[in-house]
Amino acid sequence: ETGVTQTPRHLVMGMTNKKSLKCEQHLGHNAMYWYKQSAKKPLELMFVYNFKEQTENNSVPSRFSPECPNSSHLFLHLHTLQPEDSALYLCASSLKQGAEDGYTFGSGTRLTVV
Amino acid sequence: KQEVTQIPAALSVPEGENLVLNCSFTDSAIYNLQWFRQDPGKGLTSLLLIQSSQREQTSGRLNASLDKSSGRSTLYIAASQPGDSATYLCAQNSGYALNFGKGTSLLVTP
Repeated sequence: ETGVTQTPRHLVMGMTNKKSLKCEQHLGHNAMYWYKQSAKKPLELMFVYNFKEQTENNSVPSRFSPECPNSSHLFLHLHTLQPEDSALYLCASSLKQGAEDGYTFGSGTRLTVV
Repeated sequence: KQEVTQIPAALSVPEGENLVLNCSFTDSAIYNLQWFRQDPGKGLTSLLLIQSSQREQTSGRLNASLDKSSGRSTLYIAASQPGDSATYLCAQNSGYALNFGKGTSLLVTP
């Protein structure tokens, strides 16, 4: 374990379902990130939270809704997804946004939309 | 737009060989560069972090270099082993977030 825990590890959902992904870290970090990893594409930044404030929404469709209740927890709420949203969703944290001490990633949630 | 390019996209070598993975980036405003390893279906494991003021970092059989002026980084793996088989990702930290390349898929055969 890296110190960043993501649950669930796997998720299969229908296009009309509502589900949430959870990310938790106890590294004392203040910035948290959601990335999407699709086949044959580089990791895509989705959202950034710095000290609980959202600082970036990288043109992500509204069917993805992030929530950061405190610096240790980050959620990604999913609603009315499309099959092309199937991907590995990775959470990361760092001391602060753009920190020079590096980023720590979780193991990811493999999402399949049917 | 900041771009990170990794060459080659895939590499297959026999066990014991030394190898070099290449990463190039377009944004000169780099805070640091981080190399990660990713096993199939898994998350990212940090291997090495090179600050913009550094030229190289070493950890065991791994050595990473950084040349800001040319926008390049290399990851050198010595005496490769089958357990090194994975995808290797480089990520540029521009002070905002990490920008990733597509990765190099490495297969080390016994």
